Amino acid sequence: GEDVEQSLFLSVREGDSSVINCTYTDSSSTYLYWYKQEPGAGLQLLTYIFSNMDMKQDQRLTVLLNKKDKHLSLRIADTQTGDSAIYFCAEITPAGTALIFGKGTTLSVSS
Amino acid sequence: EPEVTQTPSHQVTQMGQEVILRCVPISNHLYFYWYRQILGQKVEFLVSFYNNEISEKSEIFDDQFSVERPDGSNFTLKIRSTKLEDSAMYFCASSENPGRNEQYFGPGTRLTVT
Repeated sequence: GEDVEQSLFLSVREGDSSVINCTYTDSSSTYLYWYKQEPGAGLQLLTYIFSNMDMKQDQRLTVLLNKKDKHLSLRIADTQTGDSAIYFCAEITPAGTALIFGKGTTLSVSS
Repeated sequence: EPEVTQTPSHQVTQMGQEVILRCVPISNHLYFYWYRQILGQKVEFLVSFYNNEISEKSEIFDDQFSVERPDGSNFTLKIRSTKLEDSAMYFCASSENPGRNEQYFGPGTRLTVT
């Protein structure tokens, strides 16, 4: 079945770039997503990428997609302490309605 | 900015009791979803709903679960006879169209079954 894998922790210094990686299994996924969850809050949609794109940039966020390797990454430029959160990668099921999430990467930003 | 709301924020119930979790999706959205997150585990899909019908459901969504859109604004998840293992954070989400499927999540209801 579908599965999404992420590394669990990433620690960076304020001002550095953060790169969060994800691998997914379903090559038919049309869209792939990044969500952010702050403590005690719900999931906030950060960005998504269509499967026929290699890259998408949205202000400080850059999403890279390597469809051959089924690898997705999220780069956060100039990381701030407010970026500390859990970041989830998600793919869409073949039926096209459900999101399959990874376990989430906890990003810790120190000043 | 429109947002998905959920009530209550925390529900404590005894094993075997019925619970109803409520959600108000974003007003022009037509597709609705429930997910759950057991503490320390992944966010898991439960069910998607469109045009008053279930579109897709996971293995978790068994006969103990049901969903309903009782009126033009609410979307509910009912668990008929709660078990200890139903303790989790339950998230409602909605999306405007199934193409890009940008799902917007509510803040969640923490369900504790004792």
